[in-house]
Amino acid sequence: DTGVSQDPRHKITKRGQNVTFRCDPISEHNRLYWYRQTLGQGPEFLTYFQNEAQLEKSRLLSDRFSAERPKGSFSTLEIQRTEQGDSAMYLCASNTLRGADTQYFGPGTRLTVL
Amino acid sequence: DAKTTQPTSMDCAEGRAANLPCNHSTISGNEYVYWYRQIHSQGPQYIIHGLKNNETNEMASLIITEDRKSSTLILPHATLRDTAVYYCIVRVASGGYQKVTFGTGTKLQVIP
Repeated sequence: DTGVSQDPRHKITKRGQNVTFRCDPISEHNRLYWYRQTLGQGPEFLTYFQNEAQLEKSRLLSDRFSAERPKGSFSTLEIQRTEQGDSAMYLCASNTLRGADTQYFGPGTRLTVL
Repeated sequence: DAKTTQPTSMDCAEGRAANLPCNHSTISGNEYVYWYRQIHSQGPQYIIHGLKNNETNEMASLIITEDRKSSTLILPHATLRDTAVYYCIVRVASGGYQKVTFGTGTKLQVIP
């Protein structure tokens, strides 16, 4: 399977704990995006990387959130001191400068904060 | 990105055409209409996009009105696997930075 992969698919944690999610984009895709989706809503943009550079962060990305893409390939999203309001599906997408302006999404990581 | 308006939900009989409308009356001349869908517990999936001409691919057809203020996504022979939330998005396809702004979409239920 050469699509976008995310790990883990599900994460249950207690309030106050730190969690880290991983996204592996389609190979050769130099752009990577993180979105968050709460129940009944469409995905909301969090942040964007072009290669290893983080070029934009949404206001939704509080100081407790940090994302990295150290080698321009996979990316990690870390949430520190989780809160119940962080419970959501975290989606990763990737695309490339060439071709149609479409994004390819991974299956998401569903986070539940107890 | 221009705002879009979609019905909250729709039903369609299996085997019939599903016609999903989208209003985008404030669309600008350089903005494209994109459609994505999201099957339950999966990430969104790109379906089709267009600027002003009607488009067709293996998944669907996109009909854009002449004034570009509305469009319709057509699934010609809906199957149960087409049950999903369908998002209509209007945005510039600049080749540059490209975050996607999703609304709440239309929940399509295909009925046996």
